[in-house]
Amino acid sequence: GNSVTQMEGPVTLSEEAFLTINCTYTATGYPSLFWYVQYPGEGLQLLLKATKADDKGSNKGFEATYRKETTSFHLEKGSVQVSDSAVYFCALILNTNAGKSTFGDGTTLTVKP
Amino acid sequence: EAGVAQSPRYKIIEKRQSVAFWCNPISGHATLYWYQQILGQGPKLLIQFQNNGVVDDSQLPKDRFSAERLKGVDSTLKIQPAKLEDSAVYLCASSQNPGANQETQYFGPGTRLLVL
Repeated sequence: GNSVTQMEGPVTLSEEAFLTINCTYTATGYPSLFWYVQYPGEGLQLLLKATKADDKGSNKGFEATYRKETTSFHLEKGSVQVSDSAVYFCALILNTNAGKSTFGDGTTLTVKP
Repeated sequence: EAGVAQSPRYKIIEKRQSVAFWCNPISGHATLYWYQQILGQGPKLLIQFQNNGVVDDSQLPKDRFSAERLKGVDSTLKIQPAKLEDSAVYLCASSQNPGANQETQYFGPGTRLLVL
């Protein structure tokens, strides 16, 4: 079956620190990969996505590169802000299955001033 | 544009009672999803509709859970009877194009269910 494994949290960083949240996946086909973010008290929202190998998704200073050889999609940001404090979910959607998605368990990020 | 709407936002019931959740997707979105998110875990897909037909309900506990999508727009998810382990946030999401794997899913705020 398909699965997504995320780096366990919680992660606590100081403002302007470098962020990496690891995500690896297993899939029976060729998935598209996503990072969703959930801010306190809000619903899940798409942060970035990549639909094929070597694609880089980016948004709001966050980046992630689809690495087929290592089955990974690690999330990075060069300088985090307090407003980045949230729960981050890695997810895959399998090409052969109309929109069906598999989510990781989420990583809680807290950024301190 | 208006987002995905869900109600109620919170629900507390006793075990063996019944409960229903409602979702109104973004206008024009053909695909609607119901997820269960247990505390500390990621969302787990329960059922996926494309218009008013079921695409995938392989993870829906059909002995107690049911869902329908009226006229291909609104959807209702029901639990009857509820168990303690059903305590979770129930998320509804929608996407525009059926079958497009790279399509963004837009999530509602969720309904937080507590079963006592």
